[in-house]
Amino acid sequence: EAQVTQNPRYLITVTGKKLTVTCSQNMNHEYMSWYRQDPGLGLRQIYYSMNVEVTDKGDVPEGYKVSRKEKRNFPLILESPSPNQTSLYFCASSYAGGAVGYTFGSGTRLTVV
Amino acid sequence: GENVEQHPSTLSVQEGDSAVIKCTYSDSASNYFPWYKQELGKRPQLIIDIRSNVGEKKDQRIAVTLNKTAKHFSLHITETQPEDSAVYFCAAFPPGNTPLVFGKGTRLSVIA
Repeated sequence: EAQVTQNPRYLITVTGKKLTVTCSQNMNHEYMSWYRQDPGLGLRQIYYSMNVEVTDKGDVPEGYKVSRKEKRNFPLILESPSPNQTSLYFCASSYAGGAVGYTFGSGTRLTVV
Repeated sequence: GENVEQHPSTLSVQEGDSAVIKCTYSDSASNYFPWYKQELGKRPQLIIDIRSNVGEKKDQRIAVTLNKTAKHFSLHITETQPEDSAVYFCAAFPPGNTPLVFGKGTRLSVIA
């Protein structure tokens, strides 16, 4: 089944403890992206990647890192999480950037205390 | 860069009535306009899209219209049902190697 898989689905962590949210797609998509969703603010893009080894900042990249070493994986790294990074995170992928519809992962609800 | 405005932010309709959500975009070169539906606790899912060479597209009770001159596009849902209750996002794609630009979403509530 074609899908975008995110892990974990839920995560509670403490301020400053490094964490990684994984994202993997099995559709051979070139484009992958991370969004955070907060009430009233819609979907805000954190980082995106047009292909392997190519990443770009989105609208809210501060406090996040990404890497794209393989086509299928696009992990989101929070080196020193803070409470303002408590949010719902979505990974998305497509075969042609924004020119076609995105497939979203199931989401990761992160709480930083 | 592209900017997408979406209205209203919340919308309540009676079951069986129609619902209309409107979006405007700023970049006249944008050429692809998808709509996503996000049910409570779930991921956004593509429900319909339209490209700039088409003025209207329908899929059963859902339709999207595009007015390139005015730079706005709308989602129309007819004969609304409780399962249509969700947050709806519009988006626009400006040409080039760029991501979609999303509106802030509309929370639609269908009252039985």
